[in-house]
Amino acid sequence: KAGVTQTPRYLIKTRGQQVTLSCSPISGHRSVSWYQQTPGQGLQFLFEYFSETQRNKGNFPGRFSGRQFSNSRSEMNVSTLELGDSALYLCASSPNRETNEKLFFGSGTQLSVL
Amino acid sequence: DAKTTQPPSMDCAEGRAANLPCNHSTISGNEYVYWYRQIHSQGPQYIIHGLKNNETNEMASLIITEDRKSSTLILPHATLRDTAVYYCIVRALYNNNDMRFGAGTRLTVKP
Repeated sequence: KAGVTQTPRYLIKTRGQQVTLSCSPISGHRSVSWYQQTPGQGLQFLFEYFSETQRNKGNFPGRFSGRQFSNSRSEMNVSTLELGDSALYLCASSPNRETNEKLFFGSGTQLSVL
Repeated sequence: DAKTTQPPSMDCAEGRAANLPCNHSTISGNEYVYWYRQIHSQGPQYIIHGLKNNETNEMASLIITEDRKSSTLILPHATLRDTAVYYCIVRALYNNNDMRFGAGTRLTVKP
């Protein structure tokens, strides 16, 4: 069974641009959550989607948004990029909300904002 | 802020047991202790979790003190591939908002 797939693996953008990151969960998994990881702040929760609906949101500005499609694939978007948005963005999936004790993470997208 | 405290680094000889401690003195009654590890340039990998009883799976054992204020992750026979950063987190079962990793413990397994 294929794991969680995130694309692209690396991305370089400049301030003010926007970016879209993609996540394909493990087949059959319906819950997808997104995290930002930086050396200074560690790993922080962005948002969680289940059945195409955002179920939970972390403490990030509105520039960070996401969505989930009917096939459970998810995208996150960051608009008006800032230097501080440089981070590893991780996506994790679990079968459903009731069994999300185990999160399966992708390898992440390393975003660099110049 | 992470709710856990871990030593920044540890070394372990290959083939020996690696015991990684974690303090979580403010843990709530409905919060579980989770362990994940992250090998460089990969996403975190789930290892084990528990509420109050000791747990064991194919990867590791988790020992939780009776007062639940601390725990120890045990890798019984460490290999070079176990070299990674190990994160201890506490969270309620269905609350991804609490999925906050601190700095973790960088475990280096040496031949």
